[in-house]
Amino acid sequence: GDSVTQMEGPVTLSEEAFLTINCTYTATGYPSLFWYVQYPGEGLQLLLKATKADDKGSNKGFEATYRKETTSFHLEKGSVQVSDSAVYFCALPENTGFQKLVFGTGTRLLVSP
Amino acid sequence: DVKVTQSSRYLVKRTGEKVFLECVQDMDHENMFWYRQDPGLGLRLIYFSYDVKMKEKGDIPEGYSVSREKKERFSLILESASTNQTSMYLCASSRGTGHAPLHFGNGTRLTVT
Repeated sequence: GDSVTQMEGPVTLSEEAFLTINCTYTATGYPSLFWYVQYPGEGLQLLLKATKADDKGSNKGFEATYRKETTSFHLEKGSVQVSDSAVYFCALPENTGFQKLVFGTGTRLLVSP
Repeated sequence: DVKVTQSSRYLVKRTGEKVFLECVQDMDHENMFWYRQDPGLGLRLIYFSYDVKMKEKGDIPEGYSVSREKKERFSLILESASTNQTSMYLCASSRGTGHAPLHFGNGTRLTVT
């Protein structure tokens, strides 16, 4: 079935460092791809999305490019801030006709000053 | 802005109790979901509903039931709480068309003793 694999965390960085969080997927066809973020004490919220191959989603300085050749959707940010400390989830819609999402296990990012 | 409200942030219950977790959304969304979030396992779908009085099992429905009598409200019921149901429970909603993003509540941390 459809699935998402994320890199294990935590990812620990200093402020202003470059961030990459890897995400690869297995799916039928070319589904939309999503990154959600969960800040401490909160629920998840949509960070960015891409709906077709070669699309780049971007928001709050984060970017991710839909790469069908490598079935990947890696999250990047050029200069992280302490406020980016959160758990990041990659997700895609299940191919079932219902609008359910399959989530990765999440990657915790810790940014220190 | 969409608001998904979960009735309790923290809940402590005893083994064998019947537990109700309530979720209300204010954007007339067709879809509503209950997930549980556990360290190392990410988000796992318990149940979802795509319309009033309609429900579908997710990946881990055992030990749970749901109720959706009104469009805005989706209740998760633990018929007889057990310690392995100690977890963070997240409710979400989305529109019923296209690849609509999920909007999450802030979660209920349930402890069963």
